[in-house]
Amino acid sequence: GENVEQHPSTLSVQEGDSAVIKCTYSDSASNYFPWYKQELGKGPQLIIDIRSNVGEKKDQRIAVTLNKTAKHFSLHITETQPEDSAVYFCAAWSQGNLIFGKGTKLSVKP
Amino acid sequence: DTEVTQTPKHLVMGMTNKKSLKCEQHMGHRAMYWYKQKAKKPPELMFVYSYEKLSINESVPSRFSPECPNSSLLNLHLHALQPEDSALYLCASSPSPLAQETQYFGPGTRLLVL
Repeated sequence: GENVEQHPSTLSVQEGDSAVIKCTYSDSASNYFPWYKQELGKGPQLIIDIRSNVGEKKDQRIAVTLNKTAKHFSLHITETQPEDSAVYFCAAWSQGNLIFGKGTKLSVKP
Repeated sequence: DTEVTQTPKHLVMGMTNKKSLKCEQHMGHRAMYWYKQKAKKPPELMFVYSYEKLSINESVPSRFSPECPNSSLLNLHLHALQPEDSALYLCASSPSPLAQETQYFGPGTRLLVL
């Protein structure tokens, strides 16, 4: 079955710096890759997603890149702010379900 | 509107109690999901409903009993739970079953089993 690996597990940056989180997947049939942000005590919220026919997608300070040949995708957050502090999960669609990475706890220090 | 609502927000129950969790969406989505999430872990799939029929049960113990009364509602009935069942229970929905599409999550029910 699909396996999604996510790195790093924790990431601490200064406010204004960039943050990058990387994921790899194993199922070559996966074509949909969402990223979720989960704040303490809340459910995961979709922040950006990408499909395999696109190499990069941007939404203001957030971007996702996908390398389908290498089976990896990354989340880039620029000009980080304290409110970006949360746990981020990558996911890949496989055999009818989303398979999640283990999560990255991002801390943005003022 | 991409909102999935869940009630209650918090629930404390004893091991002999029977309780239910409720989930609702009005986006016309035809797939609904129950996930269990332990602290510092990703969501773990429990059940999938496709067009109001149970399509996936990820070997969940029978003390968890899902129900889909209509296309907007999803319930999770709880009975004789164990302390290790304490977790955040998340409901999600997506437009079409088996399609590679976004799943929208509710805020979750924080369950504590004493």
